[in-house]
Amino acid sequence: GESVGLHLPTLSVQEGDNSIINCAYSNSASDYFIWYKQESGKGPQFIIDIRSNMDKRQGQRVTVLLNKTVKHLSLQIAATQPGDSAVYFCAETRISNFGNEKLTFGTGTRLTIIP
Amino acid sequence: NAGVTQTPKFRILKIGQSMTLQCTQDMNHNYMYWYRQDPGMGLKLIYYSVGAGITDKGEVPNGYNVSRSTTEDFPLRLELAAPSQTSVYFCASRGLWAGYEQYFGPGTRLTVT
Repeated sequence: GESVGLHLPTLSVQEGDNSIINCAYSNSASDYFIWYKQESGKGPQFIIDIRSNMDKRQGQRVTVLLNKTVKHLSLQIAATQPGDSAVYFCAETRISNFGNEKLTFGTGTRLTIIP
Repeated sequence: NAGVTQTPKFRILKIGQSMTLQCTQDMNHNYMYWYRQDPGMGLKLIYYSVGAGITDKGEVPNGYNVSRSTTEDFPLRLELAAPSQTSVYFCASRGLWAGYEQYFGPGTRLTVT
């Protein structure tokens, strides 16, 4: 069935270093991917998205890379800060003409920034 | 804009009790969603709505009901609470022309004992 999975459940990174969070997806028909950040006790917050016709997209301190050949997605966070400590989820969907897109979420990776 | 608001923040129910989780958005979004998040897990879709008067089941709809009488409100009803429904519930919304990003509320933590 369709699934989105993560390689590592936890990741610890020194403050100021770059971090890379990985995600594997199994549905080759997925054409839209999102990364969300969830801080403790809060709802998920959108970080960045990418469509399947792109390999890379950059935001402020974040970059998402998409490798469709191996069905792999990664989120790179540059110069990590204490506020980056959170659980990061990838999610995928197939874009539909009927507006019934449903996101499938991965389990999440907990990123801890070490001062 | 307040975005997506949810009430209550916390609730403890006894087995067999009923309750309604409220969700309101003030962004005039067409699409609204209900998810549950079990400890250490991702989000699973319960129900969603593409507009007022239109709802559809998600991945885990059993034990829940929804209605969408207005664009702003999307309440989730639990009729006979069971311990398996202990979870954190998130409501989300998305605009028709604003891409596929969903905006999430702060969540309702529900415990059924």
